[in-house]
Amino acid sequence: GQNIDQPTEMTATEGAIVQINCTYQTSGFNGLFWYQQHAGEAPTFLSYNVLDGLEEKGRFSSFLSRSKGYSYLLLKELQMKDSASYLCAVRDRDYGQNFVFGPGTRLSVLP
Amino acid sequence: EAGVAQSPRYKIIEKRQSVAFWCNPISGHATLYWYQQILGQGPKLLIQFQNNGVVDDSQLPKDRFSAERLKGVDSTLKIQPAKLEDSAVYLCASSFDRGSGNTIYFGEGSWLTVV
Repeated sequence: GQNIDQPTEMTATEGAIVQINCTYQTSGFNGLFWYQQHAGEAPTFLSYNVLDGLEEKGRFSSFLSRSKGYSYLLLKELQMKDSASYLCAVRDRDYGQNFVFGPGTRLSVLP
Repeated sequence: EAGVAQSPRYKIIEKRQSVAFWCNPISGHATLYWYQQILGQGPKLLIQFQNNGVVDDSQLPKDRFSAERLKGVDSTLKIQPAKLEDSAVYLCASSFDRGSGNTIYFGEGSWLTVV
């Protein structure tokens, strides 16, 4: 089966850096994705990792360690608009290449 | 490029009534997904189509939920009869295909409240 775990809530201050962790257990790992979801809106794609290492995209970076079943999303220079839920999703080739989503981490950015 | 279109955006029905949601994926996307997202949780896959064939419907409650994608483009998800626990957002998503690097793009969702 699949299991994806993330912290439920995090709080950080505007201008700071925050790291959101995701751990996963899946039999046919075939990529890890991060999505951002503002309240009442659809999830939007942020980043994708399939090989170990760091992927950087402006203020957002994502890291993957396949041997540890671990990823993190790093958000730098936090802005108020970054307050949202961040969803970790794993693509599983043993599950029809479907995306399995974690519960999401609700991030609150305070002034 | 037009995104994933869904309708209706909001629906309130009484329990035991029926409801249908419609989705039109991004043009050229072969793979279409329906997810259920209960408030405060991550999306849960209900069904995945590749063109007009079902790839995975293992988590679709088939006694009350049905979905089809007859011509391999748009899709309909139906719930009949609805239960209170079906109150959720129903997200349609699409991807170019099922390759590892292909991300999925979501529609704005159809919000269902069952009273």
